[in-house]
Amino acid sequence: DVKVTQSSRYLVKRTGEKVFLECVQDMDHENMFWYRQDPGLGLRLIYFSYDVKMKEKGDIPEGYSVSREKKERFSLILESASTNQTSMYLCASSFLGLAGSNEQFFGPGTRLTVL
Amino acid sequence: AQTVTQSQPEMSVQEAETVTLSCTYDTSENNYYLFWYKQPPSRQMILVIRQEAYKQQNATENRFSVNFQKAAKSFSLKISDSQLGDTAMYFCAFANYGGATNKLIFGTGTLLAVQP
Repeated sequence: DVKVTQSSRYLVKRTGEKVFLECVQDMDHENMFWYRQDPGLGLRLIYFSYDVKMKEKGDIPEGYSVSREKKERFSLILESASTNQTSMYLCASSFLGLAGSNEQFFGPGTRLTVL
Repeated sequence: AQTVTQSQPEMSVQEAETVTLSCTYDTSENNYYLFWYKQPPSRQMILVIRQEAYKQQNATENRFSVNFQKAAKSFSLKISDSQLGDTAMYFCAFANYGGATNKLIFGTGTLLAVQP
């Protein structure tokens, strides 16, 4: 079974702190994604990566950066956390597909609270 | 830009009954994929069912089936013989055909509660 794991289920940080969210997948997937999930807004794409050291902005990249040094690991970085970044963060991965048909596999999520 | 709309924020159904969740989308593309994902309480999101736009036949997976109306840009999910384990948030999602990175565009979700 595909497994996508995230470093923390719950995280509490203070405004201005640098926050690292880590995601690891074990299926040799090329694509990895970071979403944030907010009530009434669904899932919104922050960043994605289709290869090591490659990254592309999603729909809401402001205030975030990412790092992909190894194929199996994709990190989301909040350079200076703010209260409006309190949210559920979901990581996902998939094979590089030419037809968009490849299923995305999700991690359990990290609920981040910024005080 | 493509958009996905789920107009039912919450729904409730009795165990063993049938329920239909609605989804509409907007795109100018002719070929694309549509998905329903399920997110149970405190558990990981999983794929329920997938439909290719070029296929006329509606996809079916056990108790889950879709009603895909391409001209109307409608993609509803029918759950038959509802079970308590079907209680979850359900997301409709869209992906362009031919995109190597298969980015998904999600709707806002429908919270389904199955009542005993």
